[in-house]
Parts: sequence; structure tokens; C-alpha cells
Amino acid sequence: GQNIDQPTEMTATEGAIVQINCTYQTSGFNGLFWYQQHAGEAPTFLSYNVLDGLEEKGRFSSFLSRSKGYSYLLLKELQMKDSASYLCAGEDSNYQLIWGAGTKLIIKP
Amino acid sequence: GAVVSQHPSWVICKSGTSVKIECRSLDFQATTMFWYRQFPKQSLMLMATSNEGSKATYEQGVEKDKFLINHASLTLSTLTVTSAHPEDSSFYICSARPREGYGYTFGSGTRLTVV
Repeated sequence: GQNIDQPTEMTATEGAIVQINCTYQTSGFNGLFWYQQHAGEAPTFLSYNVLDGLEEKGRFSSFLSRSKGYSYLLLKELQMKDSASYLCAGEDSNYQLIWGAGTKLIIKP
Repeated sequence: GAVVSQHPSWVICKSGTSVKIECRSLDFQATTMFWYRQFPKQSLMLMATSNEGSKATYEQGVEKDKFLINHASLTLSTLTVTSAHPEDSSFYICSARPREGYGYTFGSGTRLTVV
């Protein structure tokens, strides 16, 4: 079956670093997306990993290991505005997105 | 960047009436449009996938006669919730995949409240 697992909730301190993990099982695999969603708003694109390794975009980085079916989103220098849900989604070979339930990230001062 | 305009952003309707939600890709051609529903504190639930010019493919458990999807052009897709009931109250979001390139662009979402 197809499945995406990520933690339900995480708490971190402003200015710190947090890593949100995601494991996936999909029917074929094209790539792995990370989206940010603030309460009451639509998701916004953060990253898309196709190849193994780390991709850095400013304070946000995303890592993928295809052999392990594993990805993580790394957020540095946390700001209060980073409080949101972070959604991991795997794209299968039919270009369908398989969504995780999302990780609610709570940032404390 | 790619933008999907979704309207209305919120709507309140009476039980039994129909509501149409529109998603328009503004600066790209969307070969495929995905329609999602999201209940509070839950993740996105795919309702249906539509390709331009063909019938939508509905996910298991989604009534195609209740949720009518039209994808008449490469820039416009609509979702009509027919005979709405309070349990249809939810956040509806569309997402488009462009003809070229990768990635999915989301509309801003529609908050539907059925009273």
C-alpha cells in the first residue's frame, strides 16, 4: 500500500533548529514534496527532492534518501512565523500525490 | 511564478442549495487539476482528479453526482457541491499541475459553511 508517515506535532524554540522526518511507501516514486500550511490557508510549496541528498534554500533544507524511503525538512534560525503545519507528500509514478497527515510545529519564544 | 486563483474564498449557503467553486490558472496551462477537501486539524483529502477535456476521476467514497467537476479548458476547473448539507462544510482546495515543468500550485482555498 501507499503510506506517508510523519510526526503529528513538534515543539521548538525560537532561534533553534528543528528537523521534521518523513518516511514513505509509494507505488513507484518520482519525488518528495514539502509544503507549509498555516491555519486556515492553503499549502505553499517549500521543496521538491528527486535525487538523493540535501537541498538548501535559505533557512530551509530538505533531504532525501530513495533507498531508505526517507526524507527530512530542516528549519534553521526558527522564527515565530514558522509556526505552521508541514506536509510531506510523495509523488507516485502516476503523478499522484500521497499526503502525510502533516506535522504541526509549535515555536516557543 | 505560477498562480492559481480560487473563488470564492468563503461562502455560506443554506442546506439543499448548490455552490460552485472556481479555480483558474493565471499564467500557465494546467493539464491536471486536483480537488481536495480538508477538515479541521486533518490533512488534505484528495476528492478527484480532472484532466482537461475528460471526465474527472473520483476517489473512493466521493460521490460524483454530488461533487460535479468540470475542466473545460486548460485554465479553468470548477467544483460544484450540489444539494449541500452541513456535513459538506469544509475547506476545499484546488491544485494544478502545469503542462510543463513539475510542481503543484494550490489555490487559496474556499471555506464552505452550510447552515
